[in-house]
Amino acid sequence: EDKVVQSPLSLVVHEGDTVTLNCSYEVTNFRSLLWYKQEKKAPTFLFMLTSSGIEKKSGRLSSILDKKELFSILNITATQTGDSAVYLCAGIYNTDKLIFGTGTRLQVFP
Amino acid sequence: ETGVTQTPRHLVMGMTNKKSLKCEQHLGHNAMYWYKQSAKKPLELMFVYNFKEQTENNSVPSRFSPECPNSSHLFLHLHTLQPEDSALYLCASSQDLQGLNTEAFFGQGTRLTVV
Repeated sequence: EDKVVQSPLSLVVHEGDTVTLNCSYEVTNFRSLLWYKQEKKAPTFLFMLTSSGIEKKSGRLSSILDKKELFSILNITATQTGDSAVYLCAGIYNTDKLIFGTGTRLQVFP
Repeated sequence: ETGVTQTPRHLVMGMTNKKSLKCEQHLGHNAMYWYKQSAKKPLELMFVYNFKEQTENNSVPSRFSPECPNSSHLFLHLHTLQPEDSALYLCASSQDLQGLNTEAFFGQGTRLTVV
């Protein structure tokens, strides 16, 4: 059965801390992996990772995919309270199918 | 704002009611999706439309009926729902079917409560 597993389920840190969110997947015909940030309701796109070992960066966020070990990590450095959200990971397979993990709830306190 | 608009934002309905959720995008995208997000469960893909044609029905009960009259609008018609159908229903769109080099833009969702 295809699945995407995220860990930890929740994380509480203080501003300035660095966090690493994990996403492992077992997906048949895997194509790409997506990271989303969900605040309140609408998930917003962060990264799409297709190639193994190539880091993608956007400001304080970065992500990398390991297709051999079947996982991805999302790093957030110098966290801010605005980073508080649920971070969703999803695997794309068979071109147009998507399977999500349950998400990691990150809370950043001042 | 992501360019995908959903209405209503909140909906409370009885099990015998009929209601519809609406999603609209003017991003020029060709693919639209309905997702269900229940508490403590992964986001679940329900339906996929590509160029107004349904390409995916993820074993969704018939009490959920999608309609895509054009590439910019997507509806989810609801009837005789159950309390366990209470969830956040998210609409999304993407330039084409989610594959390489595309990503989906999500709406704010409709929080549905079935009583």
